[in-house]
Amino acid sequence: TQLLEQSPQFLSIQEGENLTVYCNSSSVFSSLQWYRQEPGEGPVLLVTVVTGGEVKKLKRLTFQFGDARKDSSLHITAAQPGDTGLYLCAGSSGTYKYIFGTGTRLKVLA
Amino acid sequence: KAGVTQTPRYLIKTRGQQVTLSCSPISGHRSVSWYQQTPGQGLQFLFEYFSETQRNKGNFPGRFSGRQFSNSRSEMNVSTLELGDSALYLCASSPWQGSHTIYFGEGSWLTVV
Repeated sequence: TQLLEQSPQFLSIQEGENLTVYCNSSSVFSSLQWYRQEPGEGPVLLVTVVTGGEVKKLKRLTFQFGDARKDSSLHITAAQPGDTGLYLCAGSSGTYKYIFGTGTRLKVLA
Repeated sequence: KAGVTQTPRYLIKTRGQQVTLSCSPISGHRSVSWYQQTPGQGLQFLFEYFSETQRNKGNFPGRFSGRQFSNSRSEMNVSTLELGDSALYLCASSPWQGSHTIYFGEGSWLTVV
């Protein structure tokens, strides 16, 4: 069974701080996605990474796919209250269905 | 363009009843996936439909079923509801099967009492 473990589960930081969220698995994924979900809404796709070692940047967010395509990280620079939400990673092994991670709940305090 | 539309947004059902949830994907999208989200289990894949055919299925009992119509709209049905079926049911829309471009709807909140 493929599992995606995210850490930390909960994170509460002050505005302006940096943070990193990790997504780890013992399985290899052909692609990995990161989502942000706010209360009462569905997840919103932030990025898709498909190549081992790939790094993508989205404004203050930096996403990295591990060389072996088993893990990924999301780094947020100078966090803002608007970054608050549930961050989810999701991996696909090529069967067209995504396995979602356990989630990291981030709260950025003003 | 309009996003993914799910109806109803909120509903309360009694144990043993059945429920049907509806999803209208983004115009032009032909793949629809369904997920169940609970605090304990997180987001779990239910099934995916493409061109009116179920292409993938998650590890859920046969009480959970779905279908897709020729206009790509999809419905999912849960029969003989159990308390543990209380969850947020999310529909995701993609242009085609296997596309990395995925848009989620706001979900249908189901409470079973």
